[in-house]
Amino acid sequence: DAGITQSPRHKVTETGTPVTLRCHQTENHRYMYWYRQDPGHGLRLIHYSYGVKDTDKGEVSDGYSVSRSKTEDFLLTLESATSSQTSVYFCATRVGTQNTGELFFGEGSRLTVL
Amino acid sequence: GENVEQHPSTLSVQEGDSAVIKCTYSDSASNYFPWYKQELGKRPQLIIDIRSNVGEKKDQRIAVTLNKTAKHFSLHITETQPEDSAVYFCAADSYGQNFVFGPGTRLSVLP
Repeated sequence: DAGITQSPRHKVTETGTPVTLRCHQTENHRYMYWYRQDPGHGLRLIHYSYGVKDTDKGEVSDGYSVSRSKTEDFLLTLESATSSQTSVYFCATRVGTQNTGELFFGEGSRLTVL
Repeated sequence: GENVEQHPSTLSVQEGDSAVIKCTYSDSASNYFPWYKQELGKRPQLIIDIRSNVGEKKDQRIAVTLNKTAKHFSLHITETQPEDSAVYFCAADSYGQNFVFGPGTRLSVLP
């Protein structure tokens, strides 16, 4: 499982509240990613990181922020949760070098925003 | 940026038959194309991948073909079994930094 753990695995929250999802890896991989998965849309990239304090936006980054203060942790924050952010969130790390590595996914975090 | 399309969205086959899923991509600079399988309630897992310097790759009952000129690649599963039932995602790397995924194909293998 490439040593990836996500927390919490399930969360129910109310509209307007902040939420933070945590991704922790034990393999010292450089690249980490946050995807959201919704029916009919596959996996869409929210943000990714290519090193400590180095992050960039993906295709659906509005309403989300990330931080990576340590190699092993990549945090995803919903600044003010909305119902449209109800989704399953997957963290992933990339094994290997740029252009060649495969993604290993965590088990996912199911978020429900009421 | 990269855009990946995937067809069909659902596919039903009889056990023992073959299944084919097709993907197209837009960025000619993409050079790595993985396929992921996701069982219900589980995480996506890599099943096979292909790089742009190769036209075909096989691993037991699964194979992937790549046509860089036409910018499409396909997953082929032969002798399908009930445990092949899952959602399959194709992906293309984008600028060597991240992947863009197709919307997925739900494969059902009927006994």
